[in-house]
Amino acid sequence: QQKVQQSPESLSVPEGGMASLNCTSSDRNFQYFWWYRQHSGEGPKALMSIFSDGDKKEGRFTAHLNKASLHVSLHIRDSQPSDSALYFCAARGVNTGNYKYVFGAGTRLKVIA
Amino acid sequence: EAAVTQSPRNKVAVTGGKVTLSCNQTNNHNNMYWYRQDTGHGLRLIHYSYGAGSTEKGDIPDGYKASRPSQENFSLILELATPSQTSVYFCASGERGPDTQYFGPGTRLLVL
Repeated sequence: QQKVQQSPESLSVPEGGMASLNCTSSDRNFQYFWWYRQHSGEGPKALMSIFSDGDKKEGRFTAHLNKASLHVSLHIRDSQPSDSALYFCAARGVNTGNYKYVFGAGTRLKVIA
Repeated sequence: EAAVTQSPRNKVAVTGGKVTLSCNQTNNHNNMYWYRQDTGHGLRLIHYSYGAGSTEKGDIPDGYKASRPSQENFSLILELATPSQTSVYFCASGERGPDTQYFGPGTRLLVL
């Protein structure tokens, strides 16, 4: 079983709507989280990181982290067709010298114009 | 923005052959990573490196070797390629600490 679980596997939202993606870790060692976005034929690109409990907002994107439940979410407001992509959650542990990141399987988002 | 390049972008290999995938970064990052991407599995870590001369095993290292001859270059080597290694491979770089990773464009490998 993957240590980072993402849901849903796929999601369709209308243009201008709100998309909500979820990520849960099964390893309490994971304390640092990222959201990456990958458009077809390209490498993943970081959207945002979140390391502290609560919300972090960057433009139309808001991430929320609850360390107690090891749950992180990404909310995309006013979704655009260009937001259609594969979204990954990534986590890293707090142990010094542990440079390994673990990625979830991804959520495929489709924004319908 | 950070720059990571990969070569080749596409590769067809025969079973039992040797394949070398190359990665170059101009970010002066200490850490470099090799992942493979398969549907349903996301990105899985094969090997990583803390700096020139170092390589470490990731979560799925079997059948792969890595080489980090310099700060800028990190190679992934398949000594005896198998069809199960057909995948898309991504290289990434990042700084020490909990830092964002910068990915290359990927190499699509088909092993026949």
